[in-house]
Amino acid sequence: GAGVSQSPSNKVTEKGKDVELRCDPISGHTALYWYRQSLGQGLEFLIYFQGNSAPDKSGLPSDRFSAERTGGSVSTLTIQRTQQEDSAVYLCASSPIGQGIGYGYTFGSGTRLTVV
Amino acid sequence: AQSVTQLDSQVPVFEEAPVELRCNYSSSVSVYLFWYVQYPNQGLQLLLKYLSGSTLVKGINGFEAEFNKSQTSFHLRKPSVHISDTAEYFCAVSAHYNQGGKLIFGQGTELSVKP
Repeated sequence: GAGVSQSPSNKVTEKGKDVELRCDPISGHTALYWYRQSLGQGLEFLIYFQGNSAPDKSGLPSDRFSAERTGGSVSTLTIQRTQQEDSAVYLCASSPIGQGIGYGYTFGSGTRLTVV
Repeated sequence: AQSVTQLDSQVPVFEEAPVELRCNYSSSVSVYLFWYVQYPNQGLQLLLKYLSGSTLVKGINGFEAEFNKSQTSFHLRKPSVHISDTAEYFCAVSAHYNQGGKLIFGQGTELSVKP
């Protein structure tokens, strides 16, 4: 597609439920990143994919968080047993490795997750 | 490790006035520097970046930033702002050695332009 697509745009879930957030990167972009933006906070790095592997998952806050990427394309971020502190905007970005990091990222519009 | 500090959480300014959004970074290695803008209910958009060469970098929408290595700063400036510049601005850094391109972001500065 023309841009990074994230779905759903908004998700309200009950505490304790599992949620899946989807990211569809720009076609051909091999690098994919997940960030979390909480109210009044900056962007917190969660995980980075190069192709289907995740060389850096150092930002995942707990073992309730996991992510996968298939076919070098779509990525899913899963949060199990959601807690109220998980409420945030989850942003996905992609980048064409090969042009170097100086290219910067292209961000999606994010998924706003609200845990009630 | 790298870190980024944006010194002002909110900057109110009148239309057509100049503005400076301050950013300082910390790193033990050479870095690349970026400014992103986030308009209400939208994703982040790259404003400008410093990779190497001239320390004065020009970006979109009339913004520019100056890399100052001795002061470890990368302040964003615009000589005359418009109402449409109202947004949140994020400074970010990435280490040269990090081939994965992970960006570390500051907390953001909310620019509010008033008529």
